[in-house]
Amino acid sequence: EVQLVESGGGLVQPGGSLRLSCAASGFSFSIYAMTWVRQAPGKGLEWVSDVSGGDDRPFYAGSLKGRFTVSRDNSKNMLYLQMNSLRVEDTAVYFCARAAGSIALASTIDYWGRGTLVTVSS
Amino acid sequence: SDVLTQPPSVSVAPGRTARITCGGDNIGSQSVHWYQQKPRQAPVLVMSYDSDRPSGIPERFSASTSGNTATLTISRVEAGDEADYYCQVWDTSGDQRRIFGGGTKLTVL
Repeated sequence: EVQLVESGGGLVQPGGSLRLSCAASGFSFSIYAMTWVRQAPGKGLEWVSDVSGGDDRPFYAGSLKGRFTVSRDNSKNMLYLQMNSLRVEDTAVYFCARAAGSIALASTIDYWGRGTLVTVSS
Repeated sequence: SDVLTQPPSVSVAPGRTARITCGGDNIGSQSVHWYQQKPRQAPVLVMSYDSDRPSGIPERFSASTSGNTATLTISRVEAGDEADYYCQVWDTSGDQRRIFGGGTKLTVL
């Protein structure tokens, strides 16, 4: 059974940093592209980042490039999202998800975690 | 397509057919994926690569694309179908990125 469990969310002040983690199990993690999607309170889904399987090529939403960094540790079946210079508008539930293939481009998202809440507030 | 447009809400009576649209430039040339999200839950894939229905999704769910509009159709709507529905594509025209539609709230009357 595919399982994705996010952790690392919490309350952080504007300008601060946070690293989210996603523990994956139940599939061959290294060969799948992985995705981060966020959802602000009462709002729709917003794509954050993808990282391909195999070559670990990252993709970012343009508005987040430079502040957010996606990475993965295939030896530990872990996906990460390093978030720097956080803003109030980054407040959201962050979902870790699996893409249905090794190449992120054009792929669907076939499994989702339950999400972790990040609150940016002073 | 860099913007996907969905109606904010669709209402339908039980047993009737709901159609949720997703509009975008050249959407017909892209693979469209659809997700269902119920309150306080993670999204669930209900349709991938335009019209592939994942295992466990009822045959009542179907999808199609014509011109600049993709449509998710739910036949014989049930109370349990009430949820938010999102379309999604990959935009490769410039920066390569996933794009989600704004979401449609399906209300079963």
